[in-house]
Amino acid sequence: GVTQSPTHLIKTRGQQVTLRCSSQSGHNTVSWYQQALGQGPQFIFQYYREEENGRGNFPPRFSGLQFPNDSSELNVNALELDDSALYLCASSLDPQRGQFFGPGTRLTVL
Amino acid sequence: AQRVTQPEKLLSVFKGAPVELKCNYSYSGSPELFWYVQYSRQRLQLLLRHISRESIKGFTADLNKGETSFHLKKPFAQEEDSAMYYCAPDNAGNMLTFGGGTRLMVKP
Repeated sequence: GVTQSPTHLIKTRGQQVTLRCSSQSGHNTVSWYQQALGQGPQFIFQYYREEENGRGNFPPRFSGLQFPNDSSELNVNALELDDSALYLCASSLDPQRGQFFGPGTRLTVL
Repeated sequence: AQRVTQPEKLLSVFKGAPVELKCNYSYSGSPELFWYVQYSRQRLQLLLRHISRESIKGFTADLNKGETSFHLKKPFAQEEDSAMYYCAPDNAGNMLTFGGGTRLMVKP
């Protein structure tokens, strides 16, 4: 299945963070979502075959990478307090079959 | 702008009662429609998708294009159905827009 690391992370405002995801084997698409407390997940961006091919309403300080070995990263620069949230990674092969989610990384920005 | 509304944050029913979790969406085009579920201490997972017209764990979802709604229904709720449910249209291939979610509590 989809795995994410680390499970929890605490950073201070202004720092940079990298979150990691390992997709389900063979899935060529990975999407990242931000879920604030008490809200539904919000789409950040999506990578297909190592290229970004869709982005939600998030600033450029949110960036990502997808690697050929089913792994991907979400990078956030200049952390703000409002970036505190659960970050979810989801992989898929066929959009019509839905996505497979990881357990998430909980980021706290102090 | 694309928007998904789940009007009830919490829905509490007794075991054996019918359940309907509402979802209304405002979308351009014809999105694929999904329901995702998150049970306690588990990850978010796909419950069902409109395109397959399937029934999963006794749940079905009815698409009403005129009302742009995709309500989730089950005739007889079970305690194990207690979870957080999210409606999620997908208009661009794997780019889901989630509603705010409805917490379903099924009381014994």
